[in-house]
Amino acid sequence: GAGVSQSPSNKVTEKGKDVELRCDPISGHTALYWYRQRLGQGLEFLIYFQGNSAPDKSGLPSDRFSAERTGESVSTLTIQRTQQEDSAVYLCASSLGFGQPQHFGDGTRLSIL
Amino acid sequence: RKEVEQDPGPFNVPEGATVAFNCTYSNSASQSFFWYRQDCRKEPKLLMSVYSSGNEDGRFTAQLNRASQYISLLIRDSKLSDSATYLCAVNIGGYSTLTFGKGTMLLVSP
Repeated sequence: GAGVSQSPSNKVTEKGKDVELRCDPISGHTALYWYRQRLGQGLEFLIYFQGNSAPDKSGLPSDRFSAERTGESVSTLTIQRTQQEDSAVYLCASSLGFGQPQHFGDGTRLSIL
Repeated sequence: RKEVEQDPGPFNVPEGATVAFNCTYSNSASQSFFWYRQDCRKEPKLLMSVYSSGNEDGRFTAQLNRASQYISLLIRDSKLSDSATYLCAVNIGGYSTLTFGKGTMLLVSP
């Protein structure tokens, strides 16, 4: 079946604007994860969902970041009042369950001007 | 000590060489271990899981050393196409998700 799908692939926006990033996980995967990766850096965990609930929001860098998941499927990561330091690739992954290998989408490359 | 640590490299090896990377983890209760490969400006892709008894997939061999708390990845007969960053991922005991290392860069030259 299809892999993890993210949209948009690229997003360029002005500082101060809000952005929404979308993730469609692999069908049947109950766990969904968001990561941020700055150029040349490692993966930075942001948040994960089990079903529609987010037990661990500890990775969200500020209150400008929020995420939701509906129908135990699609997830949206929203960044309000974007700052230049938000520029990065935002990766979504899903897995059958905890402890299971995660499968990543292609990512959204976000550039804040 | 960081939860998951990797030597960032780069490891420069000629084609045909054998190369090995280690990844150390801090929590002895960790239960799930994986190796991922990430090409430049691409997403990480699962390379292989790591089983307690060790496992092999073609030229790749993964091993787990619980006593010393590390996993290893051995690549035999390196190809140019093996050039990438290799990330380890560990399920840290008590947490529900994987913790990724920052990766080891491998460069295979002709």
